Amino acid sequence: SQLAEENSWALSVHEGESVTVNCSYKTSITALQWYRQKSGKGPAQLILIRSNERENRNGRLRATLDTSSQSSSLSITATRCEDTAVYFCATMDSNYQLIWGSGTKLIIKP
Amino acid sequence: GGIITQTPKFLIGQEGQKLTLKCQQNFNHDTMYWYRQDSGKGLRLIYYSITENDLQKGDLSEGYDASREKKSSFSLTVTSAQKNEMAVFLCASSIGINQDTQYFGPGTRLLVL
Repeated sequence: SQLAEENSWALSVHEGESVTVNCSYKTSITALQWYRQKSGKGPAQLILIRSNERENRNGRLRATLDTSSQSSSLSITATRCEDTAVYFCATMDSNYQLIWGSGTKLIIKP
Repeated sequence: GGIITQTPKFLIGQEGQKLTLKCQQNFNHDTMYWYRQDSGKGLRLIYYSITENDLQKGDLSEGYDASREKKSSFSLTVTSAQKNEMAVFLCASSIGINQDTQYFGPGTRLLVL
């Protein structure tokens, strides 16, 4: 089955800085989603980007999708301590099942 | 808005024991899911249900049973708990199978002694 994978296990930046999490995937997709999971909680969707879109935004978040290189990025500007979480990309296959990466742990330092 | 409730929050079992996890949603969503999350890993799909009384196997269904007797509830049974097993089981729901946003509960943390 296809695999989605974030490219970094962990990232750390200072509050106010910008950060980008990258994701690569195999085979074709109908959509890619970015989720955030805070400690002790379930994941929450941040952005969905469909295969015919190049970019999508949600407030301080911006997701891009490059289907030719089978990669996506999630950028967060003006980071806050509450952005500390694990960030997952998940790809949706033709059976509408989500395939999840193993996540990137993002730490925002004060 | 709605909410997904999972019970229990923590579950400690013995090797070989049959264990049941429960999930309730008040979104009135048709589709519900059970995922397993191991420490430091992504989510893997165990079972999903498109509608009441429907069951579909995910990639990780072996060793599990599921039941969807009502639209609002979806239960998962670990048929024989494995010694030293430790994972978080996450329940989610979505409007339909081809609706993209899944809403998650807080999870049930399983530890098998």
